[in-house]
Amino acid sequence: GAVVSQHPSWVICKSGTSVKIECRSLDFQATTMFWYRQFPKQSLMLMATSNEGSKATYEQGVEKDKFLINHASLTLSTLTVTSAHPEDSSFYICSASRVRGETQYFGPGTRLLVL
Amino acid sequence: GQSLEQPSEVTAVEGAIVQINCTYQTSGFYGLSWYQQHDGGAPTFLSYNALDGLEETGRFSSFLSRSDSYGYLLLQELQMKDSASYFCACPSGTYKYIFGTGTRLKVLA
Repeated sequence: GAVVSQHPSWVICKSGTSVKIECRSLDFQATTMFWYRQFPKQSLMLMATSNEGSKATYEQGVEKDKFLINHASLTLSTLTVTSAHPEDSSFYICSASRVRGETQYFGPGTRLLVL
Repeated sequence: GQSLEQPSEVTAVEGAIVQINCTYQTSGFYGLSWYQQHDGGAPTFLSYNALDGLEETGRFSSFLSRSDSYGYLLLQELQMKDSASYFCACPSGTYKYIFGTGTRLKVLA
């Protein structure tokens, strides 16, 4: 159990377009999901906490209007990178936990390349 | 602020034992987790210590000392496939995780 999926796994887009990334918990319900960003050879940086049925909580320095998060159900959260630019190219990873504060299970990640 | 510090890189040979340390400063402490991440992949959960002491899971063990704000991951009988990055992580008071700086482990033949 505790499988998290992400779609797509790879996306290449032109500068100025928007990209949506889906995160699903396949075999459990997650009231809270998390979105991370990771640059090469660096640690995971938390971008925001996605709460089912309410607004996401963004970390300091993360633009909420640029990174739109929607937690539509107990098994689905989406991250939309709006008006993407080359500096947004990164590895985006979501995670979910069955119980708040306990083990987080990660999705396989989405590699975004903005040309 | 909150931080988890790890050595940036550790190198060891196959069959050896290696210890990866993690020292933390967090406001509120709920336990220490360890994750493994291979290049190009997502982190996978290895272990979680809520209480002081040693937790053993096969070749991997994790230790926590809350009084010292310190923990470590111990990898025994190293294999080439253990070459990866290892992160310690703490759940914070708002249930989000703060990740350590990460340690790249290189296992040599």
